[in-house]
Amino acid sequence: DSGVTQTPKHLITATGQRVTLRCSPRSGDLSVYWYQQSLDQGLQFLIQYYNGEERAKGNILERFSAQQFPDLHSELNLSSLELGDSALYFCASSVVGLQGEKLFFGSGTQLSVL
Amino acid sequence: ELKVEQNPLFLSMQEGKNYTIYCNYSTTSDRLYWYRQDPGKSLESLFVLLSNGAVKQEGRLMASLDTKARLSTLHITAAVHDLSATYFCAVDMTGGGADGLTFGKGTHLIIQP
Repeated sequence: DSGVTQTPKHLITATGQRVTLRCSPRSGDLSVYWYQQSLDQGLQFLIQYYNGEERAKGNILERFSAQQFPDLHSELNLSSLELGDSALYFCASSVVGLQGEKLFFGSGTQLSVL
Repeated sequence: ELKVEQNPLFLSMQEGKNYTIYCNYSTTSDRLYWYRQDPGKSLESLFVLLSNGAVKQEGRLMASLDTKARLSTLHITAAVHDLSATYFCAVDMTGGGADGLTFGKGTHLIIQP
């Protein structure tokens, strides 16, 4: 158990709909990252938040948005869903130590758009 | 654009054998990560390599980094079935930490008795 909690584990929805994925980082971790994993694109970095502020942006679509709340949990909002958005969405939090920054991944949310 | 290429993408090997997974990347970076993913599971951090010539070992796995060649290797010694998984390398091109990691496509490793 990485200590990063993601809900829900599975989500089935229809095209055009909007969903919200939730992530609670490990206790004390200020950074939250969102990644998308699909068979054709592999693992893609979407966005990072640090202590409530957006810090880095990757290949995130305009239909997607995220935020990090004062209690450090984060939500990833996906709207106007398309079939191609079906994927496994991971959240990760990180700790910086002597060995560099290490990511701890949650168990993911499997999104199926029908 | 940073590209991270792993090879092989699929590998079936017998228990007791040795093998190496290669990870090439296209841009200067001195931070390279190896992760393991079991089917239907999350990613588990294996190694963080921070400098040229870095070598890390844990159990039957050993990772190394050559920043001049932009190459990292993950060597498996005397493989056992429990090492069957998908292994990813990832490179941080920002230099400031793990934000924006670019992952390879993964090497799906099957170890057969």
